[in-house]
Amino acid sequence: ETGVTQTPRHLVMGMTNKKSLKCEQHLGHNAMYWYKQSAKKPLELMFVYNFKEQTENNSVPSRFSPECPNSSHLFLHLHTLQPEDSALYLCASSQDFIGFGLKEKLFFGSGTQLSVL
Amino acid sequence: ILNVEQSPQSLHVQEGDSTNFTCSFPSSNFYALHWYRWETAKSPEALFVMTLNGDEKKKGRISATLNTKEGYSYLYIKGSQPEDSATYLCALLMNRDDKIIFGKGTRLHILP
Repeated sequence: ETGVTQTPRHLVMGMTNKKSLKCEQHLGHNAMYWYKQSAKKPLELMFVYNFKEQTENNSVPSRFSPECPNSSHLFLHLHTLQPEDSALYLCASSQDFIGFGLKEKLFFGSGTQLSVL
Repeated sequence: ILNVEQSPQSLHVQEGDSTNFTCSFPSSNFYALHWYRWETAKSPEALFVMTLNGDEKKKGRISATLNTKEGYSYLYIKGSQPEDSATYLCALLMNRDDKIIFGKGTRLHILP
């Protein structure tokens, strides 16, 4: 148990659907992240929030919309996705932004496996 | 584009044997290197954060070394056990305030 919980574990959606992924961390961390894991590709950073403020948008298409209402919760809203968006979406947190301190490390959730039909 | 290379991609090791694999990265502007272990259907879990050239870290049977001048880190597993089967990810921070870049990982299979 890492202290980072993601729901749902699996999601199948059509290209016209709207759905949301949820992440909650119980660690008292200030930074939260969304990562995408596509087949045979490295983990790819999508968004970073530090103290609820978005500090990084890694050129992610607007059909992915993040929301961070407080430092414990992070959402990823999905709409009009494409089949190539099918992937594992991982949430992570760290005490402070990973680049701020030499001892910072990421705590990951188990991910949401997304299939877009 | 920054590349973090991990080799081999996949590795089969007999239970009880020791093994090691490599993470290679550009040697300029090094800030920190992370190793994570990712077991199937679980969350990636941090093993080590390494920051200084010559760093050696150890956690049980797993250890790691870092050479920032030549741009590589080795992860060693001594006396492999079935529970060591996982994907081992290496991740690099080039500069303070920068984002962390992951390699594709080394998939380790321990054979009984």
